[in-house]
Amino acid sequence: EDKVVQSPLSLVVHEGDTVTLNCSYEVTNFRSLLWYKQEKKAPTFLFMLTSSGIEKKSGRLSSILDKKELFSILNITATQTGDSAIYLCAVGRGSTLGRLYFGRGTQLTVWP
Amino acid sequence: DTEVTQTPKHLVMGMTNKKSLKCEQHMGHRAMYWYKQKAKKPPELMFVYSYEKLSINESVPSRFSPECPNSSLLNLHLHALQPEDSALYLCASSQGPLQTVGEQYFGPGTRLTVT
Repeated sequence: EDKVVQSPLSLVVHEGDTVTLNCSYEVTNFRSLLWYKQEKKAPTFLFMLTSSGIEKKSGRLSSILDKKELFSILNITATQTGDSAIYLCAVGRGSTLGRLYFGRGTQLTVWP
Repeated sequence: DTEVTQTPKHLVMGMTNKKSLKCEQHMGHRAMYWYKQKAKKPPELMFVYSYEKLSINESVPSRFSPECPNSSLLNLHLHALQPEDSALYLCASSQGPLQTVGEQYFGPGTRLTVT
């Protein structure tokens, strides 16, 4: 059975801290891994990763994929209260086109 | 522009009502999706349209009926819903075709309450 597991499920930090969110997966015919940020409504696209070892970066956020060990991490440096959200990891398979397999998400809370 | 719009934002309907949710994108995307999301859970895929044809139906009950009138529009027709269908309904689109797994862009969602 295909699985996408995120950890931790919940994380509370103070502004300025650096956090690392984890996503491990067990899927056949892996095609891509995507990270989304969800505040009150729709998930907002952050990154899509298809190749191992290539870091994607956007401001204080960065992510990398390890296809050998089957995981990805999302790093957020110098966290701000606006980073408080649920971070969702999703995996796309080549054999089930159009379908993303979502993890349960990590609830990040950043206190001022 | 990576915007997907959805209307209405909120909908309250009785179990005997018929209503429709609407989704629109003008990014030239050829794949569109409906998801259902319950509180504190990840989105669950319901339907996928590729080039205006239904390509995936995740065994969704027939009280949900999708429609893709053209490449920019996606509707979800609702009839005889149950209270447990109350959820956030999300529309998404991706560049397509489905032979590539590209990023999906989500709309703001419709918060549906069935009374």
